[in-house]
Amino acid sequence: DTAVSQTPKYLVTQMGNDKSIKCEQNLGHDTMYWYKQDSKKFLKIMFSYNNKELIINETVPNRFSPKSPDKAHLNLHINSLELGDSAVYFCASSPGQGVPHRPYGYTFGSGTRLTVV
Amino acid sequence: AQSVTQLGSHVSVSEGALVLLRCNYSSSVPPYLFWYVQYPNQGLQLLLKYTSAATLVKGINGFEAEFKKSETSFHLTKPSAHMSDAAEYFCAVMRRGGGSNYKLTFGKGTLLTVNP
Repeated sequence: DTAVSQTPKYLVTQMGNDKSIKCEQNLGHDTMYWYKQDSKKFLKIMFSYNNKELIINETVPNRFSPKSPDKAHLNLHINSLELGDSAVYFCASSPGQGVPHRPYGYTFGSGTRLTVV
Repeated sequence: AQSVTQLGSHVSVSEGALVLLRCNYSSSVPPYLFWYVQYPNQGLQLLLKYTSAATLVKGINGFEAEFKKSETSFHLTKPSAHMSDAAEYFCAVMRRGGGSNYKLTFGKGTLLTVNP
């Protein structure tokens, strides 16, 4: 029973298209995240939601829009895809986001490899 | 701002040899530090974490890390490398993301290869 599951695992699409990635966690965690891993393996946080509320929004193009229908789900919608959006996108969750939850670390999904052609 | 620096983007060892992956942090207060491992085409898995309870932290798969405040380091070690240890390793620090919110910030990663 996968703790943090993402779909799809692979996504190949043309420039200009709109696509969504879905994430679900069954850990009962309050906080969920989206990270982007580029071709050099560098991981950068994009968004964080705590109990459906957006709490971290890094410098990300407006074409990226997260949505959290409930605290177990966090989806990522990307409009007008560009070549530079090609990356692996990871969803993660944690019990909480402030004190005293910092030491828990995050549980990551297996990633969605997005390729824009 | 808290951050971590991983020294060496690629480390190569022989099977059975000591593994040493370096991580230094910059922080004005004791940080929360983590090591994650990423196997090819997989997500990140937590190896161990430092939360100020003990300076020597033992993790999964025989890995451990020692928090050294005087050196601002949190290096990852394993006495004897196995072929299955070949992976990308990330050091990470929990830092403020705005207000009372925190976010996990990663180093650039170190690729460990294990030679037979």
